[in-house]
Amino acid sequence: KNEVEQSPQNLTAQEGEFITINCSYSVGISALHWLQQHPGGGIVSLFMLSSGKKKHGRLIATINIQEKHSSLHITASHPRDSAVYICAASTGNQFYFGTGTSLTVIP
Amino acid sequence: DADVTQTPRNRITKTGKRIMLECSQTKGHDRMYWYRQDPGLGLRLIYYSFDVKDINKGEISDGYSVSRQAQAKFSLSLESAIPNQTALYFCATSDAGEKLFFGSGTQLSVL
Repeated sequence: KNEVEQSPQNLTAQEGEFITINCSYSVGISALHWLQQHPGGGIVSLFMLSSGKKKHGRLIATINIQEKHSSLHITASHPRDSAVYICAASTGNQFYFGTGTSLTVIP
Repeated sequence: DADVTQTPRNRITKTGKRIMLECSQTKGHDRMYWYRQDPGLGLRLIYYSFDVKDINKGEISDGYSVSRQAQAKFSLSLESAIPNQTALYFCATSDAGEKLFFGSGTQLSVL
């Protein structure tokens, strides 16, 4: 049983395209996280949100608590956005991770 | 300097060897975690600690042990490494607000 499901697993986009990655979760959460992992690199936290919407540069994260669903949007995608994006749900004591979405942005 | 430092970055070892992965943090967080990442499986929790005197098993603790030497240090040991412990290992910390901070990872290969 996966407490956090992400889609799609893999995504290829042309530079400049608008990208959406989806995350559904089944646990009661205190916060929903979006993480970024570059090839060979560590993992960094992009967003932590418990309601509504957050924006940082070209990245936007939204959450619908009633539907237990979150989305990560990337506007005007760029090759440097190529990475694995991981959704995680925190319950106060535990984190539950999705398997990640591998994004490739082609110039 | 990184907030969460893991050593070594890469390690190749042989079956049956004991190995220790080390993690130190400068964030001042009480909560520390060890995860392993395998292709297609996402991050899985090995052990976690919410305090120097608090150690808890995660979902895949068999074959692993940990030591919380200080608030800033949390080490992971493989007492007798086996090939299916080949994976990318991450140490992480979190604050009371639950934001996660990860180390750069340790790629471990067990031959």
